[in-house]
Amino acid sequence: RKEVEQDPGPFNVPEGATVAFNCTYSNSASQSFFWYRQDCRKEPKLLMSVYSSGNEDGRFTAQLNRASQYISLLIRDSKLSDSATYLCVVDHTGGFKTIFGAGTRLFVKA
Amino acid sequence: DTEVTQTPKHLVMGMTNKKSLKCEQHMGHRAMYWYKQKAKKPPELMFVYSYEKLSINESVPSRFSPECPNSSLLNLHLHALQPEDSALYLCASSQGQTSGANVLTFGAGSRLTVL
Repeated sequence: RKEVEQDPGPFNVPEGATVAFNCTYSNSASQSFFWYRQDCRKEPKLLMSVYSSGNEDGRFTAQLNRASQYISLLIRDSKLSDSATYLCVVDHTGGFKTIFGAGTRLFVKA
Repeated sequence: DTEVTQTPKHLVMGMTNKKSLKCEQHMGHRAMYWYKQKAKKPPELMFVYSYEKLSINESVPSRFSPECPNSSLLNLHLHALQPEDSALYLCASSQGQTSGANVLTFGAGSRLTVL
């Protein structure tokens, strides 16, 4: 089983749609969780950290369920500029072993 | 503009060559990372330096040799590489906390082609 698993893509959605990505992780000792965004041929960039209480940043909402070892990202009112690969990232406690999921590609169409 | 600078942006080398990738950050971060990324795959962790000491080596072949001359610089020395080593090599840094969120800041990457 992979340490971090994500929904297979790609997701093709029209502008204005709401889209949700899911991610599961295998190590129950994991402490920190993130969503990164990677544009084609660019480096990954932090989209948002994920907290136990859930957190929101504009059109983006992240949720964490520790009991189910599950992370989600919800994008509301999708924009063309949201087209990218979204990477679920998990950081093991006490070290720097940051593990990336395989990523989910999102295409937002006009 | 990224706060982590990588050079060169592109590198083509033969299997007998020796070359180096360089990475620099001036954010005062104390942890620095090398990742390898193949096309349509996620970044794979190679090495982590914490406070200038190697803390993680993910069983990387010895033809890749990391070096951390000081807290701002990270090098990756390349020797006798194989064509399958062609990839995007990403450097990242983080504050270096052993607890709490370790947010990575990536450089733009060095795209390596081995002929």
